[in-house]
Amino acid sequence: QKEVEQNSGPLSVPEGAIASLNCTYSDRGSQSFFWYRQYSGKSPELIMSIYSNGDKEDGRFTAQLNKASQYVSLLIRDSQPSDSATYLCAVTINTGTASKLTFGTGTRLQVTL
Amino acid sequence: DAGVIQSPRHEVTEMGQEVTLRCKPISGHDYLFWYRQTMMRGLELLIYFNNNVPIDDSGMPEDRFSAKMPNASFSTLKIQPSEPRDSAVYFCASSPGTEYRYFGAGTRLSVL
Repeated sequence: QKEVEQNSGPLSVPEGAIASLNCTYSDRGSQSFFWYRQYSGKSPELIMSIYSNGDKEDGRFTAQLNKASQYVSLLIRDSQPSDSATYLCAVTINTGTASKLTFGTGTRLQVTL
Repeated sequence: DAGVIQSPRHEVTEMGQEVTLRCKPISGHDYLFWYRQTMMRGLELLIYFNNNVPIDDSGMPEDRFSAKMPNASFSTLKIQPSEPRDSAVYFCASSPGTEYRYFGAGTRLSVL
């Protein structure tokens, strides 16, 4: 089982719709969760962080965390063509001596006109 | 601050040649990370430094890879000899702590 799993996509949504991106992780002790956005040919950039169960909203973005189900998601409301990118989920995984930030392979989102 | 600066942006080399990638982290960041990104394996951590000291190099694929950080403002990742399977995008990232990552623009390496 991979430490951080994401569906590779592409996830295609029409402009104005809600995009829902999902991520599961294997380490039940994980404490910190992040979403990065990566445009094609560019570097990842941090867009959201979440540490406790529930929802965290920032503009059109909402991160949702459910530690019991080991599940974190990112909702993008009113999706725009400029949201088309790959979204990477990152989770701190405990390695015994330290915690290590581990990335999923990403979900490619396509917002269509 | 200009952000994390990597050079070169693109490198094309022949199998067996030595390749050196360079990174200047954001001033004041104590942590520096080297990642490799491929379609198949995603973003993989190769090595990271804390205050110029290598802390975890368990992700370095083999002895052909080495990394140094001689001072707080400079790091190198060297591949010698290079192989076609090393072709990937290599990212350097820095951070004030262990969690956030501020990525450089990356170096796209092609080994022919």
